[in-house]
Amino acid sequence: RKEVEQDPGPFNVPEGATVAFNCTYSNSASQSFFWYRQDCRKEPKLLMSVYSSGNEDGRFTAQLNRASQYISLLIRDSKLSDSATYLCVVNANTGGFKTIFGAGTRLFVKA
Amino acid sequence: SQTIHQWPATLVQPVGSPLSLECTVEGTSNPNLYWYRQAAGRGLQLLFYSVGIGQISSEVPQNLSASRPQDRQFILSSKKLLLSDSGFYLCAWSVRASGANVLTFGAGSRLTVL
Repeated sequence: RKEVEQDPGPFNVPEGATVAFNCTYSNSASQSFFWYRQDCRKEPKLLMSVYSSGNEDGRFTAQLNRASQYISLLIRDSKLSDSATYLCVVNANTGGFKTIFGAGTRLFVKA
Repeated sequence: SQTIHQWPATLVQPVGSPLSLECTVEGTSNPNLYWYRQAAGRGLQLLFYSVGIGQISSEVPQNLSASRPQDRQFILSSKKLLLSDSGFYLCAWSVRASGANVLTFGAGSRLTVL
C-alpha cells in the first residue's frame, strides 16, 4: 500500500463548479498535512496546511480526519486558473522530516 | 528572505555518464534539505533528505547518491546514469525547528538520459 494515495483524476469541471479531492495516508503517526499545487512542468507550491479542526482560505477548504486517516480539499467557484495538479502531502515520521507526496489529482477547469 | 537555487535547469546526458546536480539555500541556517524525482506524468518520489551536514537519509535504493558538504548545499550525484534516471529533479528546504515542516522547492532540473 502506498503511504499517500490520491485519485489521479483527471477531474474536468466547468467554471463555477465545486470540486472535492480526497487523500488517504497509511502511517497513523503522521504529524502534519498539506495540499500543494503543481502547474505543468513547474515546481510544487504550498496551497494550504490542513488542520484537524478544518481550515479555509478563500475558495479553498481543507479537512483532516485522523481517525480515518483521510484528508480532503474542497474548491468552490472554480476558476480557469485553478487548473493544475493538486498534491496531498504528509509528514510521515515522528521527527516530521520525512515528507511524502501523493501522486496528485489533475484538475481541468473549462470555460 | 530565503531563496533556493538549483542548477542546471536542463541537461541531456548519455547513458553511463556521471551526474551532478547542485542546490543551495540562502537566507536561513540549519535547513532540512530534500531531493525528489518526478518521472514524466508521475508523482514526486522522495530520494534523499538531510537534517544536517553529512547526515543523509536515503529512501530508495538506486544508483544515485547525495552529499551535504556545507550547511546550505545539497548535491545529487551518479557515477553512471541509467535511462530510468530521466526525470524532473527537485530540491527543497524546510525550517529545521518547524514542527509543520513546510517545504519550499527550487525550480527543478530536468534530466533526459539518452
